[in-house]
Amino acid sequence: AQSVAQPEDQVNVAEGNPLTVKCTYSVSGNPYLFWYVQYPNRGLQFLLKYITGDNLVKGSYGFEAEFNKSQTSFHLKKPSALVSDSALYFCAVIRGAGSYQLTFGKGTKLSVIP
Amino acid sequence: GAVVSQHPSRVICKSGTSVKIECRSLDFQATTMFWYRQFPKQSLMLMATSNEGSKATYEQGVEKDKFLINHASLTLSTLTVTSAHPEDSSFYICSARDWQAGLEGYTFGSGTRLTVV
Repeated sequence: AQSVAQPEDQVNVAEGNPLTVKCTYSVSGNPYLFWYVQYPNRGLQFLLKYITGDNLVKGSYGFEAEFNKSQTSFHLKKPSALVSDSALYFCAVIRGAGSYQLTFGKGTKLSVIP
Repeated sequence: GAVVSQHPSRVICKSGTSVKIECRSLDFQATTMFWYRQFPKQSLMLMATSNEGSKATYEQGVEKDKFLINHASLTLSTLTVTSAHPEDSSFYICSARDWQAGLEGYTFGSGTRLTVV
């Protein structure tokens, strides 16, 4: 079965500094990987996805993520953090063609300190 | 973009009563909808997958007689928590898939905070 791991419960970063939120995956076959963001008492908003092609994918709000097959990772990054980026971030995976259920990591709370 | 409306956003009910949560896709047809439960500081746990016009598929460990799911139309799915107990208190989130949008087509509702007293 597919799974994703987010090793950090919380990440703190100063405003203006680069941020990284980590995600590793375990799946047989080609992974379809996603990042979502959740603000308090809200649903999830799509940030970006990796399906195939360029390992560096760019998404909403200046976020990007790098797919690394050898390390089975898909870390979320942003060059300069904003206070408004503070939220809960989820990595998710779909096993591949023919599957359509998202499996989520446990989430990482990002706090950007002014 | 695609919008999913989930209602109510918050509900408090007495133990033993039933609560219905609605999930509507506003500008697309959703043949498949998903219901998740989220505990504090934890991930989203898939409860069930509902397909329009057919019975929902429940994940292992989810009581189908307690969490009734109906997906009677292409734009509406409902989750009814029957005979609610305090341990059912949680944040419930629905998601609808717009098949025409491909793998970006998962749109989430804003969630329902259920408190059973």
